[in-house]
Amino acid sequence: SYVLTQPPSVSVAPGKTATITCGGNNIGSKSVHWYQQKSGQAPVMVINFDSDRPSGIPERFSGSNSGNTATLTISGVEAGDEADYYCQVWDSSSDHVFLGTGTKVTVL
Amino acid sequence: EAQLVESGGGLVQPGGSLRLSCAASGFTFSSYSIYWVRQGPGKGLEWVSYISSGSGVIYYADSVKGRFTISRDNAKNSVYLQMNSLRVEDTAVYYCVSLLVGRYYFEHWGQGTLVTVSS
Repeated sequence: SYVLTQPPSVSVAPGKTATITCGGNNIGSKSVHWYQQKSGQAPVMVINFDSDRPSGIPERFSGSNSGNTATLTISGVEAGDEADYYCQVWDSSSDHVFLGTGTKVTVL
Repeated sequence: EAQLVESGGGLVQPGGSLRLSCAASGFTFSSYSIYWVRQGPGKGLEWVSYISSGSGVIYYADSVKGRFTISRDNAKNSVYLQMNSLRVEDTAVYYCVSLLVGRYYFEHWGQGTLVTVSS
C-alpha cells in the first residue's frame, strides 16, 4: 500500500498564497494529480501530471513535485477557493490508484 | 459533453443489498476504466472498486471484498455495483469515475448517489 499524507487543514487570508502538501515515499517519481471538492459537489481536477492545468482552471493554481513531497499552490486566494483538496497518484507496481487524505482550505 | 450519471442509491437496512448503476454519455465509454469512489459523511475519498475497459481486470478495496461486485456493459455504456451484506460503515456518497489507462487520473465524475445503511 502507498500512503499519501496531507495536512488536515490550511487557513489563508484572501489574496494570499495557500500551500497544500502531499507526502509520499519517493512521490517525485510518480505523476501527481490534484482535485478540488467544494461542499456538496463532486471533485474537479485542478492539476494533472504534477503541474499541468486542465482547461478552465485559473493560472492561480500551480503544482510541483520532487523528492517525497508534491505541492499544490493557490496564489491570490479567493473566497471561491474554499474547498477540500485531494492529491492522487497511480502506482505502477501495484497497478492501483491512491488518494491523499484531503486538506480543507479555509479562506479567512 | 461527457457525463456520468449514477442511480440506485437509497436507504437500506444492515445486511441488505443495493445495486448502483452508472450511465455514461459524451465520450468513448468502452475505452475507459471505471472506478467507484465513495465518501462517507465528513470523510475523505476512498476508491472501492475498479473495472478495466474490457472487464478483464477487476479490483476491490479490502473493505468491500467479498461483498461488492462490479460489472459493466459496454453496449449499454453502463457500469454497475452490486452491494450485498451492507454495513453501517458503507454509508456514503458513491461516485462513478472514469480513468484512461496511460493518463491515470480521474477524468469524468458523476454527481454521486447516496447510500444510507441504517436500521
